Amino acid sequence: DAGITQSPRHKVTETGTPVTLRCHQTENHRYMYWYRQDPGHGLRLIHYSYGVKDTDKGEVSDGYSVSRSKTEDFLLTLESATSSQTSVYFCATRQGAGELFFGEGSRLTVL
Amino acid sequence: AQSVTQLDSQVPVFEEAPVELRCNYSSSVSVYLFWYVQYPNQGLQLLLKYLSGSTLVKGINGFEAEFNKSQTSFHLRKPSVHISDTAEYFCAVSDTDDDKIIFGKGTRLHILP
Repeated sequence: DAGITQSPRHKVTETGTPVTLRCHQTENHRYMYWYRQDPGHGLRLIHYSYGVKDTDKGEVSDGYSVSRSKTEDFLLTLESATSSQTSVYFCATRQGAGELFFGEGSRLTVL
Repeated sequence: AQSVTQLDSQVPVFEEAPVELRCNYSSSVSVYLFWYVQYPNQGLQLLLKYLSGSTLVKGINGFEAEFNKSQTSFHLRKPSVHISDTAEYFCAVSDTDDDKIIFGKGTRLHILP
């Protein structure tokens, strides 16, 4: 399995505060992804990266930004958290045309 | 843009009975297809994948799926389910010329004793 760690694993915050979730990988995979998982919606792609400083939007990118300054780290930032962003966030990596390898998820609650 | 439809949000099935979980994707010339499983309170792990070659793909835990290009489907099957198969199953697709991988909404498999 790809070594993927997400931090924090759990976070409770208040509406309007900024939040950053971190994804760290040790496998030197080129591609990194952020998804959110919500009941009834499955996994929805927020943003992804295809290399250092190269990122693109996914299906539900509004209210989120990302940065990738090193191959191993992919940050997801909520500039001003809203209750609709309460979710479980999954980071994933991919090398080439193969499958995604997932982290364990970060549960975010916005009050 | 690519999209994935999992036709059943929940599927109840008796233990040792066969099961089929359905997945359809929007038409594309060339795709990669995946099934993932999520056990309760866990992350996602790959069950099987289709990248090219044989349209019948075998995965872990006795699951298999068949790629049908004309019907744009990739249904997941298991001939005999076990209580340990209780989980949520996600179908995912990627166009071969696109980096995005899009997931369906998932199907919850309930195994009845």
